[in-house]
Amino acid sequence: QSVLTQPPSASGTPGQRVTISCSGSSSNIGSNAVNWYQQLPGTAPKLLIYTNNQRPSGVPDRFSGSKSGTSASLAISGLQSEDEADYYCAAWDDSLNGHYVFGTGTKVTVL
Amino acid sequence: QLQLQESGPGLVKPSETLSLTCTVSGGSISSSSYYWGWIRQPPGKGLEWIGSIYYSGSTYYNPSLKSRVAISVDTSKNQFSLKLSSVTAADTAVYYCTRRLKGISMDDYWGQGTLVTVSS
Repeated sequence: QSVLTQPPSASGTPGQRVTISCSGSSSNIGSNAVNWYQQLPGTAPKLLIYTNNQRPSGVPDRFSGSKSGTSASLAISGLQSEDEADYYCAAWDDSLNGHYVFGTGTKVTVL
Repeated sequence: QLQLQESGPGLVKPSETLSLTCTVSGGSISSSSYYWGWIRQPPGKGLEWIGSIYYSGSTYYNPSLKSRVAISVDTSKNQFSLKLSSVTAADTAVYYCTRRLKGISMDDYWGQGTLVTVSS
């Protein structure tokens, strides 16, 4: 079902920088904004980044997003233990009369 | 502080209709700035958008579920609801209700989620 592709896992030690990619197509990332969600274990997802690179109030500035063409990236700098979570990208897709699509998800592990 | 709370049966039999309600508190569902929606997550799997509704009643649905889904809104109760018909085991999931900012399509508030199991 997911049309946005993410690596299944990523990891780093505390303080390191971790980057997660999100690959889509011209009908979704190529023509619409990308959002990122963080899901801590056993909890509901939380909006982390919206409109490619905007942080909601309260989200630390060590989280950053970018978009280029049909791909997007989420970077976590200064990795902390509490960042261990699942991360999902998402975007509106203009095909089939329009619908919202999520990425396959990436599990970030803090070593 | 806006809060969303899902409610409904946790167990549904195959071929029957799944029905959930989301109660919104701390804000009005009739705001012109937001859509209200449903997203689900099968156990151990990723997120799937089900659909969204505006307070006026206009809806958007996931094409893969469109033939079985109906989302409605009750502004007098500040609630919106999901109905998913002809369910199978593949519909077993945690169902989340969300608030979506109109024009940006971002889900900025989420309910805690409710697990619905499809089993006889």
